Amino acid sequence: QVQLQESGPGLVKPSGTLSLTCAVSGGSIISDNWWSWVRQSPGKGLEWIGEIYHSGSPNYNPSLKTRVTISVDKSKNQFSLQLTSMTAADTAVYYCARRREVDYFDYWGQGTQVTVSS
Amino acid sequence: EIVLTQSPGTLSLSPGERATLSCRASQSISSIYLAWYQQKPGQAPRLLMFGASSRATGIPDRFSGSGSGTDFTLTISRLEPEDFAVYFCQQYARSPLTFGGGTKVEIK
Repeated sequence: QVQLQESGPGLVKPSGTLSLTCAVSGGSIISDNWWSWVRQSPGKGLEWIGEIYHSGSPNYNPSLKTRVTISVDKSKNQFSLQLTSMTAADTAVYYCARRREVDYFDYWGQGTQVTVSS
Repeated sequence: EIVLTQSPGTLSLSPGERATLSCRASQSISSIYLAWYQQKPGQAPRLLMFGASSRATGIPDRFSGSGSGTDFTLTISRLEPEDFAVYFCQQYARSPLTFGGGTKVEIK
C-alpha cells in the first residue's frame, strides 16, 4: 500500500519561501506515475500546483509557474515543493498525491496546513 | 483551462435517499478523463470514480457515475451515514488539471 507523508513548516512569513517534502513509502517513486502537489483553501477550493516524473520533468499550473519548483530525490524516495513570494492567499492545506500514470489521483498524503503570517 | 462547475452546492438528504450530483465542464472532455473524489472533514480526498463510471478499489456499488461531453453525474443510490461528505469532480484531459468546487451532501 503506497503511503505519502508531507513534512515542512506550518508557518511562513509574507514574501518568504515555502518548502515541503513528500516522503513516499510502500512503493518506488521510480514508476510510471506522476507525483503531484495539490492545495486546498476555503477561497479557491482544490488547486493543482504541479507534478514531476521520476526523471525530473516537471509540469506546473500556469497560475503558479513563476513561483513554483518541484523536484525529486530518487535516493530518498521523496519529492519536494518550493513556492516563493508567499502571501496570505497561499494559506492552504497542501497535499502531495500520486497521479496514476497520466490519470487520476489515487493516493494522497494526509495534508499539511500552511499559514502565511508575520 | 477547463472550468468544472458542480451543482448543487449543498444537497440536504436523509439516509436511504438517492443523491444526484452534477459536474459540468466548460469544454467537452472525453469521459475517460473525469474522476470523482469524496472528502470528509480533516481528511484528504479519496478517489471514488475514474473514467467517469469506473469505481475505484473498495468503493461500494451504490456509487455510480455517468456522463459524456460536458455533463457528468455522480449518483449515490441509497445514502448511508458514512456517505455524508463533500464530493469533487476532477478532469485530467488537459493541463492544468482542475477540480470542481464541490457538492456537500449533508444530513437533512
